[in-house]
Parts: sequence; structure tokens; C-alpha cells
Amino acid sequence: KQEVTQIPAALSVPEGENLVLNCSFTDSAIYNLQWFRQDPGKGLTSLLLIQSSQREQTSGRLNASLDKSSGRSTLYIAASQPGDSATYLCAVFNSGGSNYKLTFGKGTLLTVNP
Amino acid sequence: EAGVVQSPRYKIIEKKQPVAFWCNPISGHNTLYWYRQNLGQGPELLIRYENEEAVDDSQLPKDRFSAERLKGVDSTLKIQPAELGDSAVYLCASSLGDQPQHFGDGTRLSIL
Repeated sequence: KQEVTQIPAALSVPEGENLVLNCSFTDSAIYNLQWFRQDPGKGLTSLLLIQSSQREQTSGRLNASLDKSSGRSTLYIAASQPGDSATYLCAVFNSGGSNYKLTFGKGTLLTVNP
Repeated sequence: EAGVVQSPRYKIIEKKQPVAFWCNPISGHNTLYWYRQNLGQGPELLIRYENEEAVDDSQLPKDRFSAERLKGVDSTLKIQPAELGDSAVYLCASSLGDQPQHFGDGTRLSIL
């Protein structure tokens, strides 16, 4: 059974700081990995998707890396802003047979202070 | 392009009452998912549809939960009777096959 762990559970940083969120998963036979953002009372917004054959993806100030063999991913946020405050969720997608689903971590609650 | 639409946004009911949630996926998306998200947790899959067929309902508590996706478009998720532990956010997502999933804003259910 796939398990996804995110560290830290919560993070508070001053505006402008660079930060790293961590994600680990137990079954390395993944199809892809996604990072989502969730604002209070809202659904999930996909930020970055990394295919299993890729090492990283970048979008603006966000960079996500994937080390499939070690079961780890990181989300790097550069020059953080108060608008980045949200919960960030990591999810791995297993495809094939009965393992056709996204498995989520519990998320990291990020607060960026002005 | 309209996103995944869910209704209602909020629902408050007393325990043992029935409740239903509705989801309209993105047009053309053949795969539809229902997730439950408990407070402080990530979403957990309840059921996945490929068109009108439920292809994975292994995590759906079938004694009180039911779902349907008539005509392979809209879907409803029902709980009868609701229990206190069912308080959560119920999220619907859709995708084109195994492409990335798009999520709705969810229905926040509170059981009194």
C-alpha cells in the first residue's frame, strides 16, 4: 500500500525567504507525482506534475524535483510572498491494475508573514 | 472552460439523516472521482468512474454510501444514514483517462 509523508506539517516564514517542502513515498513504482495547493475552503489546484521519467519541473517561482529511486520529492518556493500562504499537498499516481489512483500526503500548511 | 462544479458548497444535517452531493465534471472528461478529506488530512479516494461504470469502489463504505453516474456525465454521492464521523469535505475530480485530475471546490458536510 502506497503511503505518502510530508514534512514539515506546518511552516511559517517571513516574506522573501526561499523554502523547501518535502514529500516521501513508500512505493517507487509511480506513474507521476503532483504538487497541489489548497486554499481554505477551496478545492485543489495543481501546481506541478512530474512524470516518473523526469527529474524536475519548474513553473515561475516553483521548482519540484523527483528522486523516484529513493521515494522523495521536494517543492522549492523562491522569494516567498504572503499570497503563497496555503496548504501544499503532494500526491503520487499509481497506474496499472488496481493501483489506479492518487495517494495524498497530509499536506504542509505554509504561512508567509508580511 | 468551466471547471468541475459541485453542489451544495455546505451542508449541515443531523445524524441519521440522508444527504446527497452532486458533481458536474469538465465536459469531455470520462473519468470521475469522489474523494473524502478529513480535517488535517489529504483526500482519500472513495470511488472512481470510467464513463458510467464504477471501476474502483473498494474504499466506499457500502453499508451507508452509494454513488451513481447516469449517462456517464454528472454524478451524485449519497450517505444514508449519516453518522457523526462522516463530517468532512467531499471532493469531486474529473480527468480524461489517466491525465491530471481537476478538482471541484468540494462540499463541506457537518453532522450535528
